[in-house]
Amino acid sequence: GAGVSQTPSNKVTEKGKYVELRCDPISGHTALYWYRQSLGQGPEFLIYFQGTGAADDSGLPNDRFFAVRPEGSVSTLKIQRTERGDSAVYLCASSVTSGGGTDTQYFGPGTRLTVL
Amino acid sequence: GNSVTQMEGPVTLSEEAFLTINCTYTATGYPSLFWYVQYPGEGLQLLLKATKADDKGSNKGFEATYRKETTSFHLEKGSVQVSDSAVYFCALKKGTQGGSEKLVFGKGTKLTVNP
Repeated sequence: GAGVSQTPSNKVTEKGKYVELRCDPISGHTALYWYRQSLGQGPEFLIYFQGTGAADDSGLPNDRFFAVRPEGSVSTLKIQRTERGDSAVYLCASSVTSGGGTDTQYFGPGTRLTVL
Repeated sequence: GNSVTQMEGPVTLSEEAFLTINCTYTATGYPSLFWYVQYPGEGLQLLLKATKADDKGSNKGFEATYRKETTSFHLEKGSVQVSDSAVYFCALKKGTQGGSEKLVFGKGTKLTVNP
């Protein structure tokens, strides 16, 4: 079946602009995660949804970052007033559910964001 | 807080050589441990995992054993192939009281296998 998909694959924007990054999880997966990967680093957690609600948003760096998942499927990561330091690959992952500590997270290919 | 430290790369080996990539972790309690792999041009894929002490995860000839006494989860393969060239990430997951399932990753180790 289809894996996690993310659009766009690449996004170039100017400093100060607003961007939206989209994630389509694997069908039937109730848990969805956003991570950010800077060059030469491992992915860093941003936010995690269980269904429609954000169960943990402790990784969002500041209030310019916001994410939604209104129908419990597709999620959008929104970044306001982008800064050059926001440039990174934004990864989305989904899992069947959460809890139990063992559910595998399946990752999408990522969106490469470049802020000029 | 929880953290993962893995050996710095890059690592360059010849085909059929033995591979070890070291990974140690800091966490309270009993985290689940993972190795993810990122092949060139592809997304992160789960390679193997272990959920409790002394568990051994294995896949595609790779193995890693959860060692609580040394807080380690070293990745090994007896004979690497050119197709194993990728970036390898060690990670842990420890649910907090609030139920978060976030993964905490190491910085990654780039492996290049030459024919």
